[in-house]
Order: sequence, then structure tokens, then C-alpha cells
Amino acid sequence: KNEVEQSPQNLTAQEGEFITINCSYSVGISALHWLQQHPGGGIVSLFMLSSGKKKHGRLIATINIQEKHSSLHITASHPRDSAVYICAVRRPDSNYQLIWGAGTKLIIKP
Amino acid sequence: NAGVTQTPKFQVLKTGQSMTLQCAQDMNHEYMSWYRQDPGMGLRLIHYSVGAGITDQGEVPNGYNVSRSTTEDFPLRLLSAAPSQTSVYFCASTGVLSGNTIYFGEGSWLTVV
Repeated sequence: KNEVEQSPQNLTAQEGEFITINCSYSVGISALHWLQQHPGGGIVSLFMLSSGKKKHGRLIATINIQEKHSSLHITASHPRDSAVYICAVRRPDSNYQLIWGAGTKLIIKP
Repeated sequence: NAGVTQTPKFQVLKTGQSMTLQCAQDMNHEYMSWYRQDPGMGLRLIHYSVGAGITDQGEVPNGYNVSRSTTEDFPLRLLSAAPSQTSVYFCASTGVLSGNTIYFGEGSWLTVV
């Protein structure tokens, strides 16, 4: 069993829909990262969480430490949100090393 | 602009050739790392460094060497390229000064024929 699991693996939605991507982990962590990778390349950090909730524009990330679960929400989704969303966790004793989820491929249709 | 600079963006190598992927960051980050990403797969850690003069192996280190002579630079060397090393390579850095946010280079597409 992977230590970091994301669901769904693939998600297709219509423009405007509310999107939720989930990340569950089985290890103790000091932080959880959400990142975005557009087709053809670059990987961009969206959020780093150790507790609670963060919001940036239409993106919201939440984490429940007790349940070892995090969600990434996108409100009013747009075709430009189409990308792979990746969850990664940092262990407290890890010297910055991360355990990576496999990613969720999101397609938003106009 | 501040960030992680990775070169080259594209490279074709013949089997057995060697090459170096360059990575530099100007954010004074302690931690730098190299990943490879194969089609349909997640990122796999090749090597990492927690500071100048310190490097260590990740999940898939075979066939690669690294060095960290300065805080800024972390080159990845392919010693004798093999077709199995055809992949996209990403350099990343993070550190306390950036609140532990991870910064990635733009990626290097490497094909070994």
C-alpha cells in the first residue's frame, strides 16, 4: 500500500463545476504539499499545509491531521485548471525529503 | 527572476555517452534534489543534497552522480547513458528562507538512443 494515495486518479468535469481532489496518507507528517503540473512541463507549488485551511484565489486546501487526509478544492473551474495535481508529504525526520502521491489528472471541458 | 534554472531543456544522447544536467538556484536554499518522471508515473527521487558538500542517494540513484560544491549549484551527471534513462528530469530546491515552499526547474527532456 502506498504511503500517499490520491483520488480520483482521473477526473473530467464541465467548466464551472466545483472540484475536489483527495489525498490520504498513512505516516506522520510535518507538512503536506499540493502542486500543479500542466501538460508539457513545469511543476508549481500551490500550497504547503501543516494544519487547517489555506485559500488562494479559486483554490482551497484543507488538512485534517487526525484523519490523515487533505483535500484540494477548485471553485468555478475553468479549462485552464486542467493539469495534474500532486500531493506530497514531508515526514518530521526526513531532512526535506517528500513522499509523493501519483497525481490526479484533471480535465475541465468548456 | 528568482528561481531554479535548469539546462538543457532538450537533449538527445547516444547510448554510452555522458552528459551533465545543470541546476542552479538563487534563493539560498539548503535542500536541492533531482527527480525523474517517466510517462504516466510520479516523480522519483534520484539524488538530493541538504547543503554544500553533502549529497545522498534517493530512490533511483544508479547511473547518476551529483555534487554540491556551492549552495547554488547541483549538477546531475549521467555517466554512461542508457535507453532506460530516457525521461524528463526535474531539479527542485527548498529551504527555510522560502518557508519550505518547493521550487522546480522547468524540466529537461532527455532521450537516449
